Amino acid sequence: AQTIHQWPVAEIKAVGSPLSLGCTIKGKSSPNLYWYWQATGGTLQQLFYSITVGQVESVVQLNLSASRPKDDQFILSTEKLLLSHSGFYLCAWSLRGSQNTLYFGAGTRLSVL
Amino acid sequence: GQQVQQSPASLVLQEGENAELQCNFSSTATQLQWFYQSPGGSLVSLLSNPSGTKHTGRLTSTTVTKERRSSLHISSSQTTDSGTYLCAIDPYQGGRALIFGTGTTVSVSP
Repeated sequence: AQTIHQWPVAEIKAVGSPLSLGCTIKGKSSPNLYWYWQATGGTLQQLFYSITVGQVESVVQLNLSASRPKDDQFILSTEKLLLSHSGFYLCAWSLRGSQNTLYFGAGTRLSVL
Repeated sequence: GQQVQQSPASLVLQEGENAELQCNFSSTATQLQWFYQSPGGSLVSLLSNPSGTKHTGRLTSTTVTKERRSSLHISSSQTTDSGTYLCAIDPYQGGRALIFGTGTTVSVSP
């Protein structure tokens, strides 16, 4: 069975500090991977997607970056957090193709103070 | 740009009542999915239905692609159905950019 694990579950960070959020998918080779962000009370927005190791495409610019160092790992990071980075970050995976369901991790809740 | 509008924004139900949630989108969708977001934030895929009618449990989704709309029918609602229901479309082939709607928050009281 496929599992998706996100870490950490929650973070409280200071403005200007660095951030690294992680996501691991087990049980599925070469999935499409995605990062989504949801401001409190807001709409889910896609940030990045990756179809293969080492390749990441940006969808929305939020002064964040993403990397896929391994087939089953997706990392979201920034060197300097902004207040506007607060919210809920979700990692997701899907099989390749146009009709495939998106499966989400449990998410990371980030508060930037 | 592509937009996904959902209505109503919120819905209050008495347990056992049925509900109809609407999703309208402004561009052709090669993929349409309905998700449930729990009060804690986690998302679960309910149905993938780019066209036609699909059922799962007490949920029925009907998508009319030409009219760019989809509905989600919840029958015999239960308190555990409370949460936010999100519609999402993929206007491109390949699942690269799923665009989410604003959601319908459902509250079911006993």
